[in-house]
Amino acid sequence: QVQLKESGPGLVQPSETLSLTCTVSGFSLTSYSVSWVRQPSGKGPEWMGRMWYDGDTAYNSALKSRLSISRDTSKNQVFLKMNSLQTDDTGTYYCTRGLGAPDCWGQGVMVTVSS
Amino acid sequence: DIQMTQSPASLSASLGETVSIECLASEDIYNNLAWYQQKPGKSPQLLIYYASSLQDGVPSRFSGSGSGTQYSLKINSLESEDAATYFCLQDSEYPWTFGGGTKLELK
Repeated sequence: QVQLKESGPGLVQPSETLSLTCTVSGFSLTSYSVSWVRQPSGKGPEWMGRMWYDGDTAYNSALKSRLSISRDTSKNQVFLKMNSLQTDDTGTYYCTRGLGAPDCWGQGVMVTVSS
Repeated sequence: DIQMTQSPASLSASLGETVSIECLASEDIYNNLAWYQQKPGKSPQLLIYYASSLQDGVPSRFSGSGSGTQYSLKINSLESEDAATYFCLQDSEYPWTFGGGTKLELK
């Protein structure tokens, strides 16, 4: 059964760095790509970036200067780090699986940026 | 970036009716268009990929069509469980971009 689960802090201080982990099961990170998508409450989703199955990465240009995506295939984990967080970075962060459009999403983790 | 303009923003329909939701891309996305359903507090669920391919397990009353810059999602014979917000996503070009969403309410 394909599963993705996000974990990380629910509250981050402004200007601090967000670190999230996506732990996957039921598929291999060397066969499928994993993307991070975020969604502010009541708004549409925003694609943040992607870790390809071959280890390459792609980022949303709007976030590229602040965002880094990496992985540890031995632990079946993909990581997101984003620095200089502001209040408009508040929302639910999802990791997703897909060779193209994501076909499976994690449950999401709510991140609030506030002092 | 490719802009995805989704319409309508909200929709109210009765059980058994048929509805359509549209997405207009700012440039040709070569059928690289997916549709998602999201219910409150839940993750989006993939309904349609590559414009018209039905994801496994999705009821056949959902269908997608379109080409070039214009795409649509059709839901036949609405059921109560179809009340949700629907999003389109273009995965033709980075950054992937989503439509603004359509909230479907059942009367």
